[in-house]
Amino acid sequence: EAQVTQNPRYLITVTGKKLTVTCSQNMNHEYMSWYRQDPGLGLRQIYYSMNVEVTDKGDVPEGYKVSRKEKRNFPLILESPSPNQTSLYFCATYYYNEQFFGPGTRLTVL
Amino acid sequence: QKEVEQDPGPLSVPEGAIVSLNCTYSNSAFQYFMWYRQYSRKGPELLMYTYSSGNKEDGRFTAQVDKSSKYISLFIRDSQPSDSATYLCAMTQGNSGGYQKVTFGTGTKLQVIP
Repeated sequence: EAQVTQNPRYLITVTGKKLTVTCSQNMNHEYMSWYRQDPGLGLRQIYYSMNVEVTDKGDVPEGYKVSRKEKRNFPLILESPSPNQTSLYFCATYYYNEQFFGPGTRLTVL
Repeated sequence: QKEVEQDPGPLSVPEGAIVSLNCTYSNSAFQYFMWYRQYSRKGPELLMYTYSSGNKEDGRFTAQVDKSSKYISLFIRDSQPSDSATYLCAMTQGNSGGYQKVTFGTGTKLQVIP
């Protein structure tokens, strides 16, 4: 089954404790993105990647890092999480204008 | 001003009603228009995709684009409780094998009451 997976699905952490949200896809898509979704603000792009080792900033990259060492994986790293990064995060692939989203990771930073 | 404006709702309708969901946009460079449906605790899924001005029909769903007014709509006929979800409009400036930045509306929450 073609899919995008994310782990963990839910995470509660404390300010400053580094965390990584993993994203993996089995569709062999070149393009991948990370979004955060907040009430009233909708989906905002954090980072995107056009291929292995090629990444670029989206609209709200501050406080986040990404890496793309393999085509199928695109982890999102929060080096020092803060409460304003509490949000619902989605990983997505992109293919001819269609985005394929993962199930989401709900992150709470206390 | 946001590039894409969408009424957040919520919109409550009785089962069987015709639903109209709308977005306006300010960037005339947008050429491709999409509607995504997002169920609670799920990621968005592509529902419909249109390019030209006019209507595109898929079962109970009709997507309408008016580029001159910078206005897009999604109509749902004979709405069902299973249509209860958040609907997000989305748009891009081009269509190629290359990456295109997707700009999303904030989403309209729809509830269809049995």
